Amino acid sequence: DIQMTQSPSSMSASLGDRVTITCQASQDIGNNLIWFQQKPGKSPRPMIYYATNLANGVPSRFSGSRSGSDYSLTISSLESEDMADYHCLQYKQYPLTFGSGTKLEIK
Amino acid sequence: QVQLKESGPGLVQPSQTLSLTCTVSGFSLMDYSVHWVRQPPGKGLEWMGRMKYDGDTYYNSALKSRLSISRDTSKSQVFLKMNSLQTEDTAIYYCTRPGANRFAYWGQGTLVTVSS
Repeated sequence: DIQMTQSPSSMSASLGDRVTITCQASQDIGNNLIWFQQKPGKSPRPMIYYATNLANGVPSRFSGSRSGSDYSLTISSLESEDMADYHCLQYKQYPLTFGSGTKLEIK
Repeated sequence: QVQLKESGPGLVQPSQTLSLTCTVSGFSLMDYSVHWVRQPPGKGLEWMGRMKYDGDTYYNSALKSRLSISRDTSKSQVFLKMNSLQTEDTAIYYCTRPGANRFAYWGQGTLVTVSS
């Protein structure tokens, strides 16, 4: 199975900060990665698909990138509504696997 | 309009079998796959398995011995059955539709508590 190592597990940042969350894949997943945002009591919402593509309706301050086996989600200027949990999912190979999640809090 | 909705018992006794239904609308199960994902309270997401549009299934290897996914296309329903439930199976269970690998559509989730 492909392991997705997500970091950090939690973080606190100030409004306006640039925030980056990373998932490292244990095998090549060839950009087959989605980033989800999940707010309390809600279902996951896809933010980035195919590693770098912004999903419909997602603000342009969100972006995705790849460097080797490391995939990153970046929020360029943190807003209060971005407080949430973030998860990565690889869909290159079955079984699909999620990262362990990142809890993003606002200072 | 694509919709998915999970239903099932909120409480299951240890060692018993969980049966959940995902009822979909706005698309055909013969055109799109449906996946099951669960989330223990306060923890991360776990992919459980998939019912493909052609009827093929694939399961998380950690759950494979206990898990079964089936469907009734005439009723637009996908079923999850998992036996030998333990307290660590307490979770919110979601069904979701990939659709071009974007996983844009999710049910609201249903909380299943395993307790005597």
